[in-house]
Amino acid sequence: GAVVSQHPSWVICKSGTSVKIECRSLDFQATTMFWYRQFPKQSLMLMATSNEGSKATYEQGVEKDKFLINHASLTLSTLTVTSAHPEDSSFYICSASGPGGATPETQYFGPGTRLLVL
Amino acid sequence: LAKTTQPISMDSYEGQEVNITCSHNNIATNDYITWYQQFPSQGPRFIIQGYKTKVTNEVASLFIPADRKSSTLSLPRVSLSDTAVYYCLVGDASNTGKLIFGQGTTLQVKP
Repeated sequence: GAVVSQHPSWVICKSGTSVKIECRSLDFQATTMFWYRQFPKQSLMLMATSNEGSKATYEQGVEKDKFLINHASLTLSTLTVTSAHPEDSSFYICSASGPGGATPETQYFGPGTRLLVL
Repeated sequence: LAKTTQPISMDSYEGQEVNITCSHNNIATNDYITWYQQFPSQGPRFIIQGYKTKVTNEVASLFIPADRKSSTLSLPRVSLSDTAVYYCLVGDASNTGKLIFGQGTTLQVKP
């Protein structure tokens, strides 16, 4: 149980294009989903928290107009990197928490999406 | 959110027991302690979670002293495949559920 998927697993795009990453909770309803970014040999950095049906809450320093987050249902959240640039190249990871977790705040992570912007 | 402190790296040999200690001096009453494992280019994997005393599952044990200002993840008889980064986090069940990752402990298991 508590499986989270991400799609795509990797993506290469040209500078200036937009990329959408999907995060799905497969066997439980996720009341809250989180998006992280991880650069090589660094820890995960929380970007934003999204709750189903409401606007995402972004961490300080994260541009909400550049990283669009939509949490349209209890099993799906999407992150769109708009007008991507090479510095946006990173490993993007989502997580989900909800009634299916060991405790209400337990987060289960997706496998991550590798983004390379040329 | 409570801050956690862990050793940056640890080395061990196959078959040994590994104990990774995490300090969380400012842990709040409602905070649980959760440990995750991360392999390169993968998302973190939930290992174990506890509130106080001792918790054991099929892969690890978690020891939490009475003051809850620290916790120790114990991995019995590690193998090469346990080489990974281990993160200790504390989170508040009554708040946003946010988890702030520290640097984690890179465990290197040698043959």
